[in-house]
Formats: sequence, C-alpha cells, structure tokens
Amino acid sequence: DTAVSQTPKYLVTQMGNDKSIKCEQNLGHDTMYWYKQDSKKFLKIMFSYNNKELIINETVPNRFSPKSPDKAHLNLHINSLELGDSAVYFCASSQMNTGELFFGEGSRLTVL
Amino acid sequence: TQLLEQSPQFLSIQEGENLTVYCNSSSVFSSLQWYRQEPGEGPVLLVTVVTGGEVKKLKRLTFQFGDARKDSSLHITAAQPGDTGLYLCAGARVHGSSNTGKLIFGQGTTLQVKP
Repeated sequence: DTAVSQTPKYLVTQMGNDKSIKCEQNLGHDTMYWYKQDSKKFLKIMFSYNNKELIINETVPNRFSPKSPDKAHLNLHINSLELGDSAVYFCASSQMNTGELFFGEGSRLTVL
Repeated sequence: TQLLEQSPQFLSIQEGENLTVYCNSSSVFSSLQWYRQEPGEGPVLLVTVVTGGEVKKLKRLTFQFGDARKDSSLHITAAQPGDTGLYLCAGARVHGSSNTGKLIFGQGTTLQVKP
C-alpha cells in the first residue's frame, strides 16, 4: 500500500495555464506538506497543514494555493504558470511531534 | 541564506571504499534527520538524531550528531552500488517551546558507487 500518493507524476503544460496536484496519505498523520525541489535538488518547504489548518506558508507567490479538505488530503493548485515553476513538487506527511517526513514520489512539472 | 551546508556535493567512489558526508551549520537544531533519495522517487528517512554527541548505526551507515547540535556526519563503510543516491540532511529548528514541524534541508550530496 502506498503511504503518501500524489498525482499526477508528470505534468507538461504551457505558460499561463492553471494546474493542480493532488496528495493523499493513509498513515494517519496529522500534518501534511508541500515541498519544491529545484533543478539543483534543493528541497524547500512551501506549505504545511496540521489537521486542515495552515501552519507554515513560506514566501510563495499567491498563484500557489493549497487546500486541505481533510487531514488525509492536501492539494496544490497553481494559477498562471510561469517557466520558473518548473520543478518537482513533493507532498509529505508526518506526526507533528516527530517531524519525520514521509514523502510521495513527486510530481514533475514542466512549464513550456 | 543556506543554513545547512553539506559537503561534498558530489562523490564518485569504487565499491568497497569508505566515505563521510558532512552537514554543518552555525545554528542549533533540536534534531537532525538524514534522508536518501533515489532518481524518480521521494526522499526516504534513514535516521533521526536528537541528543548532542549521539551516534546511531544502520548496518554499514554511521550517523553522528555534533556535541553542540550544529553539525552531523554520515559515514558509510565498504560502500556498495546500492548506496548510490542523493543524501540529504535536514534540521529541525528550535522556536521557543513550539515545534512548527519545519525542516531546513541541506543542498544534498550525490553519491555514486561504481562496481
């Protein structure tokens, strides 16, 4: 059973389009995250939700909007995509008191 | 500002060699984690170290947390091709008494072990 699953795995789209990535975890964790990994493999946190409540919102353009319908799901919607948004986006989950992350397989976004 | 510096960034060695990867910072962390990431997959947690001076072993991998909780090292003995991957350290910052769950990642060390 996949613990943290995200879809789609690959996204190729044109500049200016809107796209969404979905994430689900079946680990019973209370916290979920979105991370962005750039071409140099640097991982940077974007958002964190604890029990559906936004707790971390790094300096991310407001074209990025996360939504957590319940504590097992965290989606990421991106408006007006730009070339610089090309990256691999990772969803992760953890129990807040441990902070140990379980990552999904990543969604590779390519903006043309 | 890069809070966690990993070195080396790239390492290519022969099977059977030993290696050490370093993770350094001027900041104190409440804990430090090491992850390994293989191509096309997400990072997988290897270990968490919490106490200054702590040493943990995972088969041929030895992890150490510095006494001041500002740095860590990963030593691999007799490296195998299966050890190939991107190794990431990540520190949890101390923010008063609250744990925000925010991890700061190093920029990673790409290890290639050749047969």
